[in-house]
Amino acid sequence: DTGVSQDPRHKITKRGQNVTFRCDPISEHNRLYWYRQTLGQGPEFLTYFQNEAQLEKSRLLSDRFSAERPKGSFSTLEIQRTEQGDSAMYLCASSPALAGALTDTQYFGPGTRLTVL
Amino acid sequence: QQQVKQSPQSLIVQKGGISIINCAYENTAFDYFPWYQQFPGKGPALLIAIRPDVSEKKEGRFTISFNKSAKQFSLHIMDSQPGDSATYFCAALPYGGATNKLIFGTGTLLAVQP
Repeated sequence: DTGVSQDPRHKITKRGQNVTFRCDPISEHNRLYWYRQTLGQGPEFLTYFQNEAQLEKSRLLSDRFSAERPKGSFSTLEIQRTEQGDSAMYLCASSPALAGALTDTQYFGPGTRLTVL
Repeated sequence: QQQVKQSPQSLIVQKGGISIINCAYENTAFDYFPWYQQFPGKGPALLIAIRPDVSEKKEGRFTISFNKSAKQFSLHIMDSQPGDSATYFCAALPYGGATNKLIFGTGTLLAVQP
């Protein structure tokens, strides 16, 4: 399967623990995005990478959140000192850097469901 | 703040009927409007998308109607099927931004009854 993959699919943790999620974008997509989706809401943008450069971070991304894309391929999202309010689905998406309309199409992965107890 | 407002929150349609979901945006600085379909426990999947230079786009049973002057766009699902039961999100992409940050609506839960 050549779609966006995310790992793990589900994570249950206790408040105060650190968690890390991984995203593997579609091969050769140089743009990668992280979104957060809470129950009954649409996805909300968290951060964006073009290759290895993190070009934008949302105000939703507090100091406890950090994202990396060290070699411009996979990305990790780490949440430190988790809080119950962090419980959500964390979605990763990727898009190609081609001229024209295809650049705007974002392909989403299946998400990582985080539950903080 | 850039926003996309979506209605209705939920929709029940009989099999074979037409499902209509509406979205409105406030900021004119959007130039790409996709619709995503999401099944429980899955990530959103692109269904169909439109740019503001056209008023309608059709792909199979799915049609987007776009009214630039009213800043509204809608998704029409013709001949709705039980397999279409899912949550649908409209979204908008700011024009000329460096980040391609999608702004999503709040979603519509569609149930197609057999």
